[in-house]
Amino acid sequence: DSGVTQTPKHLITATGQRVTLRCSPRSGDLSVYWYQQSLDQGLQFLIQYYNGEERAKGNILERFSAQQFPDLHSELNLSSLELGDSALYFCASRTGDGGNTEAFFGQGTRLTVV
Amino acid sequence: TQLLEQSPQFLSIQEGENLTVYCNSSSVFSSLQWYRQEPGEGPVLLVTVVTGGEVKKLKRLTFQFGDARKDSSLHITAAQPGDTGLYLCAGAPRNTGKLIFGQGTTLQVKP
Repeated sequence: DSGVTQTPKHLITATGQRVTLRCSPRSGDLSVYWYQQSLDQGLQFLIQYYNGEERAKGNILERFSAQQFPDLHSELNLSSLELGDSALYFCASRTGDGGNTEAFFGQGTRLTVV
Repeated sequence: TQLLEQSPQFLSIQEGENLTVYCNSSSVFSSLQWYRQEPGEGPVLLVTVVTGGEVKKLKRLTFQFGDARKDSSLHITAAQPGDTGLYLCAGAPRNTGKLIFGQGTTLQVKP
């Protein structure tokens, strides 16, 4: 158990819909990272938050947005969903902002857009 | 543009064989990490290399960080079926908070 909790584990929704994925980081970790992993692909970095503030952005689509709340949990919002958005979405947490500390991953949310 | 390029992308070998996975970049990294991911799970850290030229060993796994801190390798000796999985290198480009990953190497070790 990594200590990072992601909900829901599975999500099936229709094209055009909007979903929210939730992540609770490990106790004490201030950084949350979001990644998208398509079939047989590596992890595509979407966005990082540190202590409530956006810190770094990757190739995140404009239809996607995220935030980190005062209790440090984070949500990733995906809207106007397309078939190509079907993927595993992971969040990871780290103690600090950058550096070489270990990233702890949740078990992911498998999103299927039909 | 993939900042971290891994090769090979797929590797299928027999139990007992040796293998090397490479992680290359044109950018300098302050450190590189290697993670292993099993199906249905999130990646788990294997090792972090920090110093150029550093070599770290984890049982049958040997990790090396290039002298210029632009590349790393993972060597597995006498691979076992339990080594099967997706191996990912990761790093934070200098002066950024990002933690980016290579596209991964899928390793299958057949008994």
